[in-house]
Amino acid sequence: GESVGLHLPTLSVQEGDNSIINCAYSNSASDYFIWYKQESGKGPQFIIDIRSNMDKRQGQRVTVLLNKTVKHLSLQIAATQPGDSAVYFCAENPQGGKLIFGQGTELSVKP
Amino acid sequence: EPEVTQTPSHQVTQMGQEVILRCVPISNHLYFYWYRQILGQKVEFLVSFYNNEISEKSEIFDDQFSVERPDGSNFTLKIRSTKLEDSAMYFCASSEVMGRGYTFGSGTRLTVV
Repeated sequence: GESVGLHLPTLSVQEGDNSIINCAYSNSASDYFIWYKQESGKGPQFIIDIRSNMDKRQGQRVTVLLNKTVKHLSLQIAATQPGDSAVYFCAENPQGGKLIFGQGTELSVKP
Repeated sequence: EPEVTQTPSHQVTQMGQEVILRCVPISNHLYFYWYRQILGQKVEFLVSFYNNEISEKSEIFDDQFSVERPDGSNFTLKIRSTKLEDSAMYFCASSEVMGRGYTFGSGTRLTVV
């Protein structure tokens, strides 16, 4: 079946440290992956995406790594700030238009 | 930056009543979607819509649900006879390309009592 799951439901980091959020996916046909940030009471906000023909992509303070061999996706946030506190979801696009979301990891940044 | 707008932000309805959730997608986007998120759970796909017809729907999207693009700007989700388990956040999204570059709205919190 299709599933996208996260290894850690909660993550607490100190301000200024780097954060790593992990995600496992099961659909080999997925060719596009996205990380979303969701703050309380708001919709998912795009952070970064990656296509299956890449294994790494960098944005501003964020990096996504894709390991297709073990079907693993990670989001790295450099110099984590209090404003990064939110729930982070990975999502995959196996085909067509729909996205399959993971359960989410709650990131808490301690000042 | 262009936004997807959803109204109302919160809707309370009695069980068995019909509700219509409204969305204004980004103007140059061609693909439209509805997702829902039950409190504390992951975001789940409901339906995708393109060229005035449903492209794909999930098993959640049963006969009680329907979508419509009544004019050039609105995209609506109708639940014909609401059940308690329909209580959730409903997110509208749109994209210019199928499955890529989604923009989500802020959601409508539906509470069925």
